[in-house]
Amino acid sequence: AQRVTQPEKLLSVFKGAPVELKCNYSYSGSPELFWYVQYSRQRLQLLLRHISRESIKGFTADLNKGETSFHLKKPFAQEEDSAMYYCALSRGYGGSQGNLIFGKGTKLSVKP
Amino acid sequence: EAGVAQSPRYKIIEKRQSVAFWCNPISGHATLYWYQQILGQGPKLLIQFQNNGVVDDSQLPKDRFSAERLKGVDSTLKIQPAKLEDSAVYLCASSLGAGGGGYEQFFGPGTRLTVL
Repeated sequence: AQRVTQPEKLLSVFKGAPVELKCNYSYSGSPELFWYVQYSRQRLQLLLRHISRESIKGFTADLNKGETSFHLKKPFAQEEDSAMYYCALSRGYGGSQGNLIFGKGTKLSVKP
Repeated sequence: EAGVAQSPRYKIIEKRQSVAFWCNPISGHATLYWYQQILGQGPKLLIQFQNNGVVDDSQLPKDRFSAERLKGVDSTLKIQPAKLEDSAVYLCASSLGAGGGGYEQFFGPGTRLTVL
């Protein structure tokens, strides 16, 4: 079964510290993986996707197929990074292409 | 550009009542999604439309939930009758096409439903 696991409900770090939000997935095919973020009182929005291999707001994520992981990392956390982060997997091809399976989310709190 | 619009933003009903949610996607977006997000969970897909056709409704509880997308633009999601476990945020999203890697999904603000 296709599944996304985010083992941490809450992650609290101090400003300037490195941060890593963990994501593991279960998928039989070639996965497309994403990180979505929801800041307080804002809409859910795309942060980054693995196929782009880009850094957004200092965040990066590498797909590790051997470990079936897609952890989100940032070397120096900022207070404005405090938000809810969701890892998501795109499943299916053809008619179901684009459907997302979300993890339960990790709340990141960056303390001053 | 204007984002995905949803209404109402909040709704409180009693169990066994009916409720409807409305979504207006971003202009030109062919694909529309409805997600259900229960407190403490990630969003779960209920139904996906491509233009005005349904391409995936495998997780839609069809005995009580229905959705339509007339003319391939606006969409309505209905619950009849509602149960306590339907209390959730209902999110609408749209994308240019139906390709997870190629088409970003844009989310609306959501409708928070409370069933008493």
